[in-house]
Amino acid sequence: NAGVMQNPRHLVRRRGQEARLRCSPMKGHSHVYWYRQLPEEGLKFMVYLQKENIIDESGMPKERFSAEFPKEGPSILRIQQVVRGDSAAYFCASSPNRGRDSPLHFGNGTRLTVT
Amino acid sequence: QKEVEQNSGPLSVPEGAIASLNCTYSDRGSQSFFWYRQYSGKSPELIMFIYSNGDKEDGRFTAQLNKASQYVSLLIRDSQPSDSATYLCAVTPVDSSYKLIFGSGTRLLVRP
Repeated sequence: NAGVMQNPRHLVRRRGQEARLRCSPMKGHSHVYWYRQLPEEGLKFMVYLQKENIIDESGMPKERFSAEFPKEGPSILRIQQVVRGDSAAYFCASSPNRGRDSPLHFGNGTRLTVT
Repeated sequence: QKEVEQNSGPLSVPEGAIASLNCTYSDRGSQSFFWYRQYSGKSPELIMFIYSNGDKEDGRFTAQLNKASQYVSLLIRDSQPSDSATYLCAVTPVDSSYKLIFGSGTRLLVRP
């Protein structure tokens, strides 16, 4: 059973470009979460999605960031007009259900570097 | 005050010793508590979760929860060099069953 798959593993973008990060949840998991980890800091919640629905985006910056989880295909985290402060590791996690009996399983992350 | 606090370390212990990792949290209503292990450049990996006061043991790992003191700890018995990693404490806030609030992690170094 493959784990949470994220790609690309590393992404370099120049300031002002767009970054697209992809996440395929574990088989059978319909709940997807995106977290961001800045250097020497803990992971920060960004957004929680189910198929075709954004459930909670309270951790997402109001501008330039968007996320989707279409009926078919991976979840996408999109960052428009990237700035240096967006450089971080972005982790996706999935779970089969919502709630404390469904701990999150994380992917290996996408490390975004903005030059 | 940070919502979840951990000593950044590094915590250095000799091989075979008990490593004790600590975490405090500010939200008294928190319900669920998790310990993740993260090797450098890798994903966080779930080690233990605990919901009730007391101890929970799984192999060499023991999680301890004291809700009155808002304190959760992870003990690693018979520490091995392969346990060297950053250990992240995470808590679900009272108003959410799915959102994890992470500490910044404690780096553990097990000396051979």
